Amino acid sequence: SQKIEQNSEALNIQEGKTATLTCNYTNYSPAYLQWYRQDPGRGPVFLLLIRENEKEKRKERLKVTFDTTLKQSLFHITASQPADSATYLCASYNQGGKLIFGQGTELSVKP
Amino acid sequence: GAGVSQTPSNKVTEKGKYVELRCDPISGHTALYWYRQSLGQGPEFLIYFQGTGAADDSGLPNDRFFAVRPEGSVSTLKIQRTERGDSAVYLCASSLRAGDSGQETQYFGPGTRLLVL
Repeated sequence: SQKIEQNSEALNIQEGKTATLTCNYTNYSPAYLQWYRQDPGRGPVFLLLIRENEKEKRKERLKVTFDTTLKQSLFHITASQPADSATYLCASYNQGGKLIFGQGTELSVKP
Repeated sequence: GAGVSQTPSNKVTEKGKYVELRCDPISGHTALYWYRQSLGQGPEFLIYFQGTGAADDSGLPNDRFFAVRPEGSVSTLKIQRTERGDSAVYLCASSLRAGDSGQETQYFGPGTRLLVL
């Protein structure tokens, strides 16, 4: 079945460093990948969408890559801040039009 | 407000009872989605509506779960004979159109935290 997998281990980094989160997909080839941020007690909030023919996309301190050979997307936050601490979710629509999510990676940025 | 709203924010019920969870999507959004999220997991798809009709209900775990969207706006998720395993956060989302193109952004509500004792 179509799956999206993220590293379930929490990522702890120091303020100012770059955080890198990984998303791998199996058994399908999505045309788009989406990244969402989720804070405790809240619903996910859309951050970025990347198309399969876009190797890289940037928005302020965020950068997303899409490698169709590795079947992987990387999500980077540069110059990280404590306010970036949250869970980050990778998602993609499957062929049936359903948005499938990974399990999310919790990021903690320490001052 | 301009966002997706869900009520109640928290619901505590006893095993075997019936519950209804409500979702108010963003005005003008034709697609509405329900998800269930357990601790440490991503949202798990339950059902989505395009207009008034359920376009895909393949994620509903069993026939105790049912959802309606009678006028193409507000939706209600109904759970009969609740079980302890139904305890989770139930998220609702809406998008301008259905996700067939793969590009649609979904806008999520804050969720309803359901606890079945």
